[in-house]
Amino acid sequence: GAVVSQHPSWVICKSGTSVKIECRSLDFQATTMFWYRQFPKQSLMLMATSNEGSKATYEQGVEKDKFLINHASLTLSTLTVTSAHPEDSSFYICSAALSGRGKNIQYFGAGTRLSVL
Amino acid sequence: DQQVKQNSPSLSVQEGRISILNCDYTNSMFDYFLWYKKYPAEGPTFLISISSIKDKNEDGRFTVFLNKSAKHLSLHIVPSQPGDSAVYFCAATFSGGSNYKLTFGKGTLLTVNP
Repeated sequence: GAVVSQHPSWVICKSGTSVKIECRSLDFQATTMFWYRQFPKQSLMLMATSNEGSKATYEQGVEKDKFLINHASLTLSTLTVTSAHPEDSSFYICSAALSGRGKNIQYFGAGTRLSVL
Repeated sequence: DQQVKQNSPSLSVQEGRISILNCDYTNSMFDYFLWYKKYPAEGPTFLISISSIKDKNEDGRFTVFLNKSAKHLSLHIVPSQPGDSAVYFCAATFSGGSNYKLTFGKGTLLTVNP
Protein backbone atom coordinates (compact mmCIF):
# COMPACT_ATOMS: atom_id res chain seq x y z
CA GLY A 1 0.00 0.00 0.00
CA ALA A 2 0.87 3.67 -0.18
CA VAL A 3 3.11 5.12 2.51
CA VAL A 4 2.49 8.34 4.39
CA SER A 5 5.14 9.68 6.72
CA GLN A 6 4.30 12.04 9.57
CA HIS A 7 6.86 13.88 11.63
CA PRO A 8 7.44 14.37 14.49
CA SER A 9 5.77 11.46 16.22
CA TRP A 10 5.83 13.19 19.59
CA VAL A 11 6.39 16.79 20.60
CA ILE A 12 6.33 18.59 23.93
CA CYS A 13 6.23 22.35 23.90
CA LYS A 14 5.65 25.29 26.20
CA SER A 15 2.39 27.17 26.15
CA GLY A 16 2.46 30.01 23.65
CA THR A 17 4.89 28.42 21.22
CA SER A 18 4.09 27.17 17.74
CA VAL A 19 4.51 23.63 16.55
CA LYS A 20 4.81 22.41 12.97
CA ILE A 21 3.82 18.90 11.92
CA GLU A 22 4.78 17.52 8.52
CA CYS A 23 2.92 14.97 6.44
CA ARG A 24 4.54 13.44 3.37
CA SER A 25 3.27 10.95 0.82
CA LEU A 26 6.38 8.92 0.06
CA ASP A 27 5.47 6.89 -2.99
CA PHE A 28 2.58 8.72 -4.57
CA GLN A 29 1.40 12.24 -5.28
CA ALA A 30 -1.51 13.51 -3.27
CA THR A 31 -3.42 16.55 -4.41
CA THR A 32 -5.55 16.21 -1.31
CA MET A 33 -4.43 15.58 2.23
CA PHE A 34 -6.40 15.65 5.44
CA TRP A 35 -5.71 16.56 9.03
CA TYR A 36 -7.52 14.84 11.87
CA ARG A 37 -7.52 15.10 15.60
CA GLN A 38 -8.30 12.23 17.91
CA PHE A 39 -9.37 12.63 21.50
CA PRO A 40 -8.92 9.71 23.90
CA LYS A 41 -11.27 6.82 23.19
CA GLN A 42 -13.03 8.73 20.45
CA SER A 43 -13.19 8.59 16.69
CA LEU A 44 -11.17 10.66 14.29
CA MET A 45 -12.35 14.24 13.97
CA LEU A 46 -11.64 15.83 10.61
CA MET A 47 -10.10 19.25 11.08
CA ALA A 48 -9.39 20.33 7.54
CA THR A 49 -8.86 19.30 3.96
CA SER A 50 -5.55 20.39 2.48
CA ASN A 51 -5.46 20.97 -1.26
CA GLU A 52 -2.20 21.37 -3.14
CA GLY A 53 -1.75 24.90 -4.36
CA SER A 54 -4.86 26.32 -2.75
CA LYS A 55 -6.26 27.25 0.63
CA ALA A 56 -7.29 24.55 3.04
CA THR A 57 -10.93 23.92 3.77
CA TYR A 58 -11.65 23.87 7.48
CA GLU A 59 -14.42 22.01 9.22
CA GLN A 60 -16.94 23.90 11.28
CA GLY A 61 -15.56 24.91 14.64
CA VAL A 62 -11.89 24.64 13.67
CA GLU A 63 -10.00 27.92 13.90
CA LYS A 64 -8.05 28.46 10.70
CA ASP A 65 -5.79 31.05 12.31
CA LYS A 66 -4.98 28.60 15.06
CA PHE A 67 -4.28 25.63 12.84
CA LEU A 68 -2.37 26.83 9.79
CA ILE A 69 -2.19 24.41 6.89
CA ASN A 70 0.16 24.63 3.94
CA HIS A 71 0.14 22.19 1.04
CA ALA A 72 3.01 23.50 -1.04
CA SER A 73 3.71 20.38 -3.09
CA LEU A 74 2.03 17.18 -4.20
CA THR A 75 3.84 15.24 -1.50
CA LEU A 76 3.93 17.56 1.50
CA SER A 77 1.36 19.19 3.74
CA THR A 78 2.14 20.90 7.02
CA LEU A 79 -0.01 21.74 10.02
CA THR A 80 1.20 24.49 12.33
CA VAL A 81 -0.45 24.82 15.71
CA THR A 82 0.09 28.47 16.55
CA SER A 83 0.38 29.80 20.08
CA ALA A 84 -0.32 26.36 21.47
CA HIS A 85 -2.15 26.00 24.76
CA PRO A 86 -2.70 22.95 26.97
CA GLU A 87 -6.16 22.39 25.47
CA ASP A 88 -4.46 21.83 22.11
CA SER A 89 -2.76 18.75 23.53
CA SER A 90 -4.01 15.86 21.45
CA PHE A 91 -3.15 13.23 18.87
CA TYR A 92 -2.99 14.70 15.37
CA ILE A 93 -3.10 12.43 12.32
CA CYS A 94 -2.71 13.25 8.66
CA SER A 95 -3.78 11.29 5.62
CA ALA A 96 -3.27 11.46 1.90
CA ALA A 97 -5.93 10.56 -0.63
CA LEU A 98 -5.24 8.10 -3.42
CA SER A 99 -8.17 8.00 -5.74
CA GLY A 100 -9.15 6.89 -9.21
CA ARG A 101 -11.06 4.15 -11.02
CA GLY A 102 -13.94 4.38 -8.57
CA LYS A 103 -11.67 4.11 -5.56
CA ASN A 104 -11.08 6.67 -2.85
CA ILE A 105 -8.65 5.52 -0.19
CA GLN A 106 -6.94 7.60 2.44
CA TYR A 107 -3.60 6.43 3.74
CA PHE A 108 -2.67 7.67 7.17
CA GLY A 109 0.50 8.78 8.84
CA ALA A 110 1.50 7.37 12.19
CA GLY A 111 0.23 10.41 14.08
CA THR A 112 1.79 13.10 16.25
CA ARG A 113 1.27 13.27 19.98
CA LEU A 114 1.32 16.94 21.02
CA SER A 115 1.71 17.80 24.68
CA VAL A 116 1.54 21.49 25.60
CA LEU A 117 2.84 22.34 29.04
CA ASP B 1 -26.43 13.28 12.76
CA GLN B 2 -24.18 10.25 12.61
CA GLN B 3 -24.09 8.97 9.06
CA VAL B 4 -21.89 5.97 9.77
CA LYS B 5 -22.65 3.91 12.84
CA GLN B 6 -20.77 1.15 14.55
CA ASN B 7 -23.18 0.14 17.27
CA SER B 8 -20.88 -2.29 19.05
CA PRO B 9 -18.14 -0.44 20.93
CA SER B 10 -16.36 -3.69 21.66
CA LEU B 11 -16.17 -7.33 20.61
CA SER B 12 -14.30 -10.24 22.14
CA VAL B 13 -13.58 -13.50 20.30
CA GLN B 14 -11.41 -16.57 20.75
CA GLU B 15 -8.34 -17.08 18.65
CA GLY B 16 -9.14 -19.12 15.56
CA ARG B 17 -12.80 -18.17 15.51
CA ILE B 18 -14.52 -15.69 13.23
CA SER B 19 -14.76 -12.00 14.11
CA ILE B 20 -17.69 -10.11 12.62
CA LEU B 21 -17.66 -6.34 12.83
CA ASN B 22 -20.75 -4.45 11.75
CA CYS B 23 -21.40 -1.03 10.33
CA ASP B 24 -24.55 0.81 9.23
CA TYR B 25 -24.87 3.96 7.19
CA THR B 26 -27.70 6.34 6.49
CA ASN B 27 -26.55 8.39 3.51
CA SER B 28 -27.61 6.68 0.30
CA MET B 29 -25.09 8.77 -1.63
CA PHE B 30 -22.23 6.77 -0.15
CA ASP B 31 -20.90 4.34 -2.74
CA TYR B 32 -17.49 3.35 -1.45
CA PHE B 33 -16.76 1.83 1.92
CA LEU B 34 -13.54 1.11 3.79
CA TRP B 35 -12.32 -0.60 6.91
CA TYR B 36 -9.34 0.62 8.88
CA LYS B 37 -7.51 -0.94 11.80
CA LYS B 38 -5.96 1.23 14.47
CA TYR B 39 -3.61 0.53 17.33
CA PRO B 40 -3.30 3.03 20.21
CA ALA B 41 -1.08 6.02 19.44
CA GLU B 42 -0.77 5.06 15.78
CA GLY B 43 -2.47 6.15 12.60
CA PRO B 44 -5.19 3.94 11.07
CA THR B 45 -4.08 1.27 8.64
CA PHE B 46 -6.18 0.62 5.55
CA LEU B 47 -7.48 -2.95 5.49
CA ILE B 48 -10.01 -3.47 2.75
CA SER B 49 -12.62 -1.59 0.77
CA ILE B 50 -15.67 -2.26 -1.34
CA SER B 51 -17.50 -0.41 -4.03
CA SER B 52 -21.28 -0.32 -4.07
CA ILE B 53 -21.28 -2.23 -7.35
CA LYS B 54 -20.13 -5.29 -5.43
CA ASP B 55 -21.56 -7.15 -2.48
CA LYS B 56 -18.41 -8.90 -1.38
CA ASN B 57 -14.67 -8.31 -1.44
CA GLU B 58 -12.12 -10.70 -0.04
CA ASP B 59 -8.46 -10.24 0.81
CA GLY B 60 -6.82 -13.07 2.68
CA ARG B 61 -8.41 -13.45 6.10
CA PHE B 62 -10.52 -10.33 5.60
CA THR B 63 -13.85 -10.23 3.79
CA VAL B 64 -16.18 -7.28 3.57
CA PHE B 65 -19.86 -7.77 2.77
CA LEU B 66 -22.13 -5.00 1.60
CA ASN B 67 -25.93 -5.04 1.74
CA LYS B 68 -27.02 -1.90 -0.04
CA SER B 69 -30.72 -2.33 0.55
CA ALA B 70 -30.11 -2.55 4.28
CA LYS B 71 -27.35 0.06 4.20
CA HIS B 72 -25.21 -2.34 6.13
CA LEU B 73 -21.71 -3.68 5.79
CA SER B 74 -19.67 -6.09 7.79
CA LEU B 75 -16.06 -7.14 8.11
CA HIS B 76 -15.30 -10.80 8.67
CA ILE B 77 -11.93 -11.88 9.97
CA VAL B 78 -11.24 -15.58 9.89
CA PRO B 79 -9.40 -17.10 11.56
CA SER B 80 -8.97 -14.38 14.17
CA GLN B 81 -5.50 -13.93 15.62
CA PRO B 82 -4.35 -12.13 18.80
CA GLY B 83 -2.53 -9.61 16.61
CA ASP B 84 -5.89 -8.57 15.19
CA SER B 85 -6.76 -6.98 18.53
CA ALA B 86 -7.24 -3.29 17.74
CA VAL B 87 -9.93 -0.70 17.08
CA TYR B 88 -11.63 -1.13 13.72
CA PHE B 89 -13.15 1.86 11.98
CA CYS B 90 -15.71 1.70 9.22
CA ALA B 91 -15.68 4.61 6.77
CA ALA B 92 -17.80 5.69 3.83
CA THR B 93 -17.45 8.13 0.99
CA PHE B 94 -18.90 9.24 -2.28
CA SER B 95 -16.38 8.26 -4.95
CA GLY B 96 -17.78 10.67 -7.51
CA GLY B 97 -17.13 13.71 -5.36
CA SER B 98 -14.08 15.89 -5.57
CA ASN B 99 -13.35 16.38 -1.90
CA TYR B 100 -12.46 12.75 -1.10
CA LYS B 101 -13.76 13.08 2.45
CA LEU B 102 -14.35 9.98 4.50
CA THR B 103 -17.05 9.72 7.12
CA PHE B 104 -15.96 7.48 9.98
CA GLY B 105 -17.87 5.43 12.50
CA LYS B 106 -16.84 5.59 16.14
CA GLY B 107 -14.97 2.31 15.99
CA THR B 108 -15.22 -1.15 17.51
CA LEU B 109 -12.55 -2.47 19.84
CA LEU B 110 -11.79 -6.07 18.89
CA THR B 111 -10.07 -8.29 21.42
CA VAL B 112 -8.89 -11.70 20.27
CA ASN B 113 -8.13 -13.94 23.20
CA PRO B 114 -5.44 -16.64 22.90
